[in-house]
Amino acid sequence: QQPVQSPQAVILREGEDAVINCSSSKALYSVHWYRQKHGEAPVFLMILLKGGEQKGHEKISASFNEKKQQSSLYLTASQLSYSGTYFCGTPGGGGATNKLIFGTGTLLAVQP
Amino acid sequence: DGGITQSPKYLFRKEGQNVTLSCEQNLNHDAMYWYRQDPGQGLRLIYYSQIVNDFQKGDIAEGYSVSREKKESFPLTVTSAQKNPTAFYLCASRSAGLGAEAFFGQGTRLTVV
Repeated sequence: QQPVQSPQAVILREGEDAVINCSSSKALYSVHWYRQKHGEAPVFLMILLKGGEQKGHEKISASFNEKKQQSSLYLTASQLSYSGTYFCGTPGGGGATNKLIFGTGTLLAVQP
Repeated sequence: DGGITQSPKYLFRKEGQNVTLSCEQNLNHDAMYWYRQDPGQGLRLIYYSQIVNDFQKGDIAEGYSVSREKKESFPLTVTSAQKNPTAFYLCASRSAGLGAEAFFGQGTRLTVV
């Protein structure tokens, strides 16, 4: 079952903040986050391995709530370069740790 | 330079024809993946392989076939049984384990007319 991301799309002005959520109906063992520019390959942002773990990457950070089977990506003081589609990814679980499935995606547009 | 290469970037085929998309990696990764991307549907898993000569169906395997005869290569065939093959296809690879990030190719845009 594909993780569901919300919102589906968001438009920001430069300097504004955004939160992207990733929710799974199955247990999450780890969560990956990627960003894809239009027509390009997705690029890795970060991985969270433990429930409760939070990570930061410049002004982009993420949290992982294992009990709620959710992860959130936080973008603060957004820049034009943050525009793109964001995906969460998770190994499939049930022993199939190499089955990497991705969420429905969130399109982020940052305007001047 | 290490990386993952997909070819061709654009592909046009007539309806009813099989077509094979190439994916090669020199990262020495055990696991390889094929995803289909359609607007508003994210990345959907078609097939994945954890080791040479072994592969598993993903969520939308119908109408597709793969092979993994070499560690470096994981070609995807879109058969005539795939009802709506026009899409953007992405190949990825990663090392084994929960903490390993995926590396993606640049994608192949397939258009069936």
